[in-house]
Amino acid sequence: DVKVTQSSRYLVKRTGEKVFLECVQDMDHENMFWYRQDPGLGLRLIYFSYDVKMKEKGDIPEGYSVSREKKERFSLILESASTNQTSMYLCASSLWGARNTEAFFGQGTRLTVV
Amino acid sequence: QQPVQSPQAVILREGEDAVINCSSSKALYSVHWYRQKHGEAPVFLMILLKGGEQKGHEKISASFNEKKQQSSLYLTASQLSYSGTYFCGTIDQTGANNLFFGTGTRLTVIP
Repeated sequence: DVKVTQSSRYLVKRTGEKVFLECVQDMDHENMFWYRQDPGLGLRLIYFSYDVKMKEKGDIPEGYSVSREKKERFSLILESASTNQTSMYLCASSLWGARNTEAFFGQGTRLTVV
Repeated sequence: QQPVQSPQAVILREGEDAVINCSSSKALYSVHWYRQKHGEAPVFLMILLKGGEQKGHEKISASFNEKKQQSSLYLTASQLSYSGTYFCGTIDQTGANNLFFGTGTRLTVIP
């Protein structure tokens, strides 16, 4: 059974903290994605990676960075968390030919910044 | 680059039909449709590739008009299990694999 696992379901952090959200997939997928989900705004792409150490910015990369040191792991980093980064974060992965293959999602991490 | 979906929300009675639309400002290579139930991860429904194909399974089908950069999802004879938020995802023709999702359509089916 295919799996995308996010390290935490719920996370509470303080303003200014450095926050790491971890995502691991066991399907040997090349592509990995980080999305942010907010009511009325849908799923917005933060960053995308198509290979180890490779990354591309999505629509809303400001305030975030990513790390992909191993194929199966894609980390989202909030350099200095702010209250407007309170949101649901979803990780997804797909095969290299993402144009015609489905993406698999993790269960999401609900981050609250206080 | 986020595609636009309409309507934002729709309420149906069991057995009624619905259409969800997705449009992009970019020339598209493929359109993906997903459904997310409350508290769960989005789940894949189908992919449509450029070429204007129409796909479907059971009572959920979709079309892709490449020239208009639009896709529509058709739900016929809706069931209670169809309730959820539907997202379209798009990949453009630049060659990149970035998958952008829309704003979502919340579908509620009532008895």
